[in-house]
Amino acid sequence: GQQLNQSPQSMFIQEGEDVSMNCTSSSIFNTWLWYKQEPGEGPVLLIALYKAGELTSNGRLTAQFGITRKDSFLNISASIPSDVGIYFCAGQTGANSKLTFGKGITLSVRP
Amino acid sequence: ETGVTQTPRHLVMGMTNKKSLKCEQHLGHNAMYWYKQSAKKPLELMFVYNFKEQTENNSVPSRFSPECPNSSHLFLHLHTLQPEDSALYLCASSPLSGATDTQYFGPGTRLTVL
Repeated sequence: GQQLNQSPQSMFIQEGEDVSMNCTSSSIFNTWLWYKQEPGEGPVLLIALYKAGELTSNGRLTAQFGITRKDSFLNISASIPSDVGIYFCAGQTGANSKLTFGKGITLSVRP
Repeated sequence: ETGVTQTPRHLVMGMTNKKSLKCEQHLGHNAMYWYKQSAKKPLELMFVYNFKEQTENNSVPSRFSPECPNSSHLFLHLHTLQPEDSALYLCASSPLSGATDTQYFGPGTRLTVL
C-alpha cells in the first residue's frame, strides 16, 4: 500500500531559526495535508494542498505540493517555542481513496 | 477548537469492562472516522461512516463496535479489550469521504486497558 516517509523522527532547533521538513512517497498523490499535534490533543490541520506545484502559506508556515506529486514540503520560519509538537503529513491518491499518514516529525524549539 | 468534540478525554478500563467513546461534530460534515494512534506508528484508520452508513471497516477486531446514529454523532463501543488496545482514539470528520478529503480531528480519548 501507499506509504508516506517523514524523517528524521525528531528535530531540534533554536528559537528564531527556520526549519524545513518533507514528506515523500513512491506513489503519486492528488492531495497533501499537513497537521500539527500537541501533547494531549488531536491533530490540527495547518495547510491543505490540492494541485501540483501549489505553494500555500498560513502565517509563518509555508507548504508546497511537489511537482512530481510524490512529495510535499513544510517550512516554518522564525520558529517560536509554541511551534513544538508533532508534524504529520497526509496524502490522498485519488477520489474515494483513504488518507495515508506519515509517522510524524517531533519538533523541539530551544528558547 | 476544531468543531469536533470527544468524550471522555481519558478512560481507564479493565479487560472485562464495557465502555463507550463519544464523538460529536459541529461542522455540518457528512463523513466521520475513528482512528487509533499508538506511539511511533502512523495513524491507523478503523472505521468510516458516510451519511450514517459504514463504508469501511479496516479489519478491526469485533471487540470494537462503532455506531453512527446520525451524521453528527459517532460512538465506539468497547468490550473485553486487551492491554495492547491502549492508545489514543481519534475521531475525525470531513465534508464527504472521498474526493478531496480534508479531515478535521477531535482531541482524542486516551484509553488505558489494565
